[in-house]
Amino acid sequence: ETGVTQSPTHLIKTRGQQVTLRCSSQSGHNTVSWYQQALGQGPQFIFQYYREEENGRGNFPPRFSGLQFPNYSSELNVNALELDDSALYLCASSLDRANQPQHFGDGTRLSIL
Amino acid sequence: QKEVEQNSGPLSVPEGAIASLNCTYSDRGSQSFFWYRQYSGKSPELIMSIYSNGDKEDGRFTAQLNKASQYVSLLIRDSQPSDSATYLCAVSGSARQLTFGSGTQLTVLP
Repeated sequence: ETGVTQSPTHLIKTRGQQVTLRCSSQSGHNTVSWYQQALGQGPQFIFQYYREEENGRGNFPPRFSGLQFPNYSSELNVNALELDDSALYLCASSLDRANQPQHFGDGTRLSIL
Repeated sequence: QKEVEQNSGPLSVPEGAIASLNCTYSDRGSQSFFWYRQYSGKSPELIMSIYSNGDKEDGRFTAQLNKASQYVSLLIRDSQPSDSATYLCAVSGSARQLTFGSGTQLTVLP
């Protein structure tokens, strides 16, 4: 069984740039969620995708956007990067059923200079 | 605003002792409750899930849920130095998005 994979592992960008992060869900999982984790904090929910549609969104501005593809993989796009966007970005996959746990990938560490 | 509160710690226990981690949540509609372990620089790893009131045991780990008190706890028996990590409490409702606490840092002293 293949777990959740994310790429790239690390990324360095400057303010104002744009970034795309990628995630492949665990085999058989049809739902992908993205989280932002700042240093010393718990992960914060960004949004969730199911059947290629956004299925819930946290308190993040529209410059955070995403996609889900027919194979359930997903992308997180962030435009106009700000210093506060520096964080660990986590992708989690699950089945779209009640009480299903989410399993996380290794994350992408994004640093904004 | 849905909130999940954890004792921030740090919590230190000697090897072989019981570590007790606590979590409270604000949304009475919450349905699913999870404990994740996160080693420094790594991603969260699911260690326990619990959905109904009472205790759930898995090896050295016991999760306890009390929906009336909006309280979830995790007990780690026979704590080992390898248990040293940050433990994250996470809660979800019908929306199935996870709301996390800020985590409790546990150190098990040899």
